[in-house]
Formats: sequence, structure tokens, C-alpha cells
Amino acid sequence: GAVVSQHPSRVICKSGTSVKIECRSLDFQATTMFWYRQFPKQSLMLMATSNEGSKATYEQGVEKDKFLINHASLTLSTLTVTSAHPEDSSFYICSAMPTQGGNYGYTFGSGTRLTVV
Amino acid sequence: GENVEQHPSTLSVQEGDSAVIKCTYSDSASNYFPWYKQELGKGPQLIIDIRSNVGEKKDQRIAVTLNKTAKHFSLHITETQPEDSAVYFCAASWGGDSWGKLQFGAGTQVVVTP
Repeated sequence: GAVVSQHPSRVICKSGTSVKIECRSLDFQATTMFWYRQFPKQSLMLMATSNEGSKATYEQGVEKDKFLINHASLTLSTLTVTSAHPEDSSFYICSAMPTQGGNYGYTFGSGTRLTVV
Repeated sequence: GENVEQHPSTLSVQEGDSAVIKCTYSDSASNYFPWYKQELGKGPQLIIDIRSNVGEKKDQRIAVTLNKTAKHFSLHITETQPEDSAVYFCAASWGGDSWGKLQFGAGTQVVVTP
């Protein structure tokens, strides 16, 4: 089946530094990937839609200069949290949709727990 | 956009009993409705989904029903087991300009007690 690998699973960084999170589709090509953010005991909130070879589309209220997204290949999207602050601490999850579409399948990664100290 | 409401927020059931979670959506153009199970510290796992041209779908102990007219869909888990304990999310997706976007419900914490 479709597998999405997300790395790292956990990261602790100092306030003011940047952190990069990778999302890879292992056995399928994904023109479109999505990045979500989840606070404790809350639902998943879509941050942005990542499209291979073009600029990401950000949801209202999400700072594009703070959350840099790069989708340079059909199997890799990265989210960089720039100048991280404690309020950026959260669970970040990516999902990928197969290029061939069809089943509308969205496969999610295992998430990245970011803690900013 | 789409708005998805999910109830209840918590659900406690005795092992062997059934669990039902209900969701409503606002956009009549929504055409795909997945359900996800999320365990603590992990990403969501798809457990079942349904498309707008189908009214019911079943996979072993799990079933989903969809009422397009009323714009609501439900998850049914029968013969619950302790390993069913998790947070369950419903979601709705639609095509057109918003192709591929999922709007999630708030989630239901299910606790199955032995």
C-alpha cells in the first residue's frame, strides 16, 4: 500500500532557529502533498497545499514566510519552520495524494513533534 | 469552504458493545468522506471511506453510512475491543478549486473498557 515517511519524528530546537521536516512518498508519486498542524487534543488544521514544481498554497492565517514549503520532486516535500518560537511547538503531519488520483487516497505520515525551547 | 461537525467528543463503551460517531457537513458539493483513527503520538490512519454515490459501506466490524440529503455521515463500530480505543476523525473533501482538501471534524475520543 501507499506509504508516507515523515522525518524527524521528534525535534527539539532553540527559539530563533529553523527546523526542516521532510515528507516522502515511498512507493508512489505525489504531485500534491498537504501539511497539517495539530495542537494537543485538537483536530488537524490544514496549513498549506504543496504542489510539485510550483509555489505552495497557504490557508488563511498561515504565514508563508514562516512556514516555508518546498516540493522539489514527485516524492518529497519539505516544511521549514523559520525563526521558531515556543508557540510554534506542535504536531506537524503531512499527507500525500497519488498523482494518478483515482481513489482520492490520502496517506498520512506519522507526524513530527516539534518542541521549541 | 466546508465545515464539518462531529459528535460526540468523547464516547465510552463496554467491550463488545457498538460505537456510533456522527458527522455533518455543510458543502453539498463534498464528494468524499473518510474516517481516520489516530493513536497517541501517531499520524491518522484511514479506516474506511465512502464516496457520495454510495449510501453505505462495510468492512468487517466497521461501517459507514452517508445521507447526502441530510448532509450527514456516521461511523459504526460493532463488537468493540480495547484496541479500538483511540481518537476518531471524520473528514470531507470536495473537488473543483478545492480538489483534494480535507476538512476534519473535531474528533471523538473513544474509550473501550474491558
